[in-house]
Amino acid sequence: AQSVAQPEDQVNVAEGNPLTVKCTYSVSGNPYLFWYVQYPNRGLQFLLKYITGDNLVKGSYGFEAEFNKSQTSFHLKKPSALVSDSALYFCAVRVNTGFQKLVFGTGTRLLVSP
Amino acid sequence: NAGVTQTPKFQVLKTGQSMTLQCAQDMNHNSMYWYRQDPGMGLRLIYYSASEGTTDKGEVPNGYNVSRLNKREFSLRLESAAPSQTSVYFCASSDRDRATYEQYFGPGTRLTVT
Repeated sequence: AQSVAQPEDQVNVAEGNPLTVKCTYSVSGNPYLFWYVQYPNRGLQFLLKYITGDNLVKGSYGFEAEFNKSQTSFHLKKPSALVSDSALYFCAVRVNTGFQKLVFGTGTRLLVSP
Repeated sequence: NAGVTQTPKFQVLKTGQSMTLQCAQDMNHNSMYWYRQDPGMGLRLIYYSASEGTTDKGEVPNGYNVSRLNKREFSLRLESAAPSQTSVYFCASSDRDRATYEQYFGPGTRLTVT
């Protein structure tokens, strides 16, 4: 089955430090991968996507993600975390079973301390 | 441009009651989706509508029905609510004719069934 896994329920980082939120995928064919962010009591917001091309993808709010085909990973990164980055982050993969749908991971809560 | 809107924001139901969650989008998107979000389980697809006039089951359709009223509106109905349907429900839309695939989410409906 096509899926994504987020191995960490929570990531803690101090403000100003780099952050990484991990995601691995399992798909047949070329993966289309996404990161979304959810702030408290809000819907999900699109951050970035990998469709093809450069393995380093840049997105909103200074986030970037690195696609690694050999490790089947798509980790979300930011060089310097902000307290306002604290939120729930979801990785997702497009599955194409007659209609293109997204399958989401279970989410990783990021807590950035001052 | 409001994006994706959902009503109501909050709802409390007794077991066995029925209700309809409303969703509308003003982005002229073809495809619309209903998800539920539960702690530790990420987002799970309930139903989707690839285009106006079509609907299909997702991962967890039992206990729900949907109507794609027109291109803008996609409603989710609980005919006989059960405590297991306590969740946060999100509607989303996407433009399947563009090779971008990202989905745009509404703010959610928090439903409690007692």
